[in-house]
Amino acid sequence: QKEVEQNSGPLSVPEGAIASLNCTYSDRGSQSFFWYRQYSGKSPELIMFIYSNGDKEDGRFTAQLNKASQYVSLLIRDSQPSDSATYLCAVRNSGYSTLTFGKGTMLLVSP
Amino acid sequence: ETGVTQSPTHLIKTRGQQVTLRCSSQSGHNTVSWYQQALGQGPQFIFQYYREEENGRGNFPPRFSGLQFPNYSSELNVNALELDDSALYLCASSSQGPDTQYFGPGTRLTVL
Repeated sequence: QKEVEQNSGPLSVPEGAIASLNCTYSDRGSQSFFWYRQYSGKSPELIMFIYSNGDKEDGRFTAQLNKASQYVSLLIRDSQPSDSATYLCAVRNSGYSTLTFGKGTMLLVSP
Repeated sequence: ETGVTQSPTHLIKTRGQQVTLRCSSQSGHNTVSWYQQALGQGPQFIFQYYREEENGRGNFPPRFSGLQFPNYSSELNVNALELDDSALYLCASSSQGPDTQYFGPGTRLTVL
């Protein structure tokens, strides 16, 4: 069973702080990794994807991938109350173009 | 907005009934994936269609079936509805090669 694990949270951070969201995966052959944001009652919205080891930055968001440790993370700098949502980690399974999702981490940013 | 549309937005059915959900993929995308998201859970992969053929299936029973049409739109059919089928059903489109999937707004199905 290919699994993606996330801490369900909630992760509470004050406005302006850095939020760090973590994800581990079981399929060592996984090649592509995605972070989606999901507001309550809405569908997932793609934030970032990362394929290579290291960091990838896009505005206030940085994705980090360590394939040896089977670990991917998302950093949100200068967190805003509008960032309060559930963040889903998704992994493309080896041999398939489908995604396995974690259960998501709820982030709460307080003003 | 991703350009992926789904209908209906909400649906209420009773146990044993059948339901059809619809999805129109983003322009230029030829692959549609369907997911079921129960409350408090991440999306679970149901199946994927590429050029009108099923291209992978998750751990869902045969009463979950689908179609993809020549214009790449898609349907998800669920027969003999059960209470546990109550969930948000998500459609995601992508193009062959790049595997970035973009989700539609979802259909909220309630089974009573």
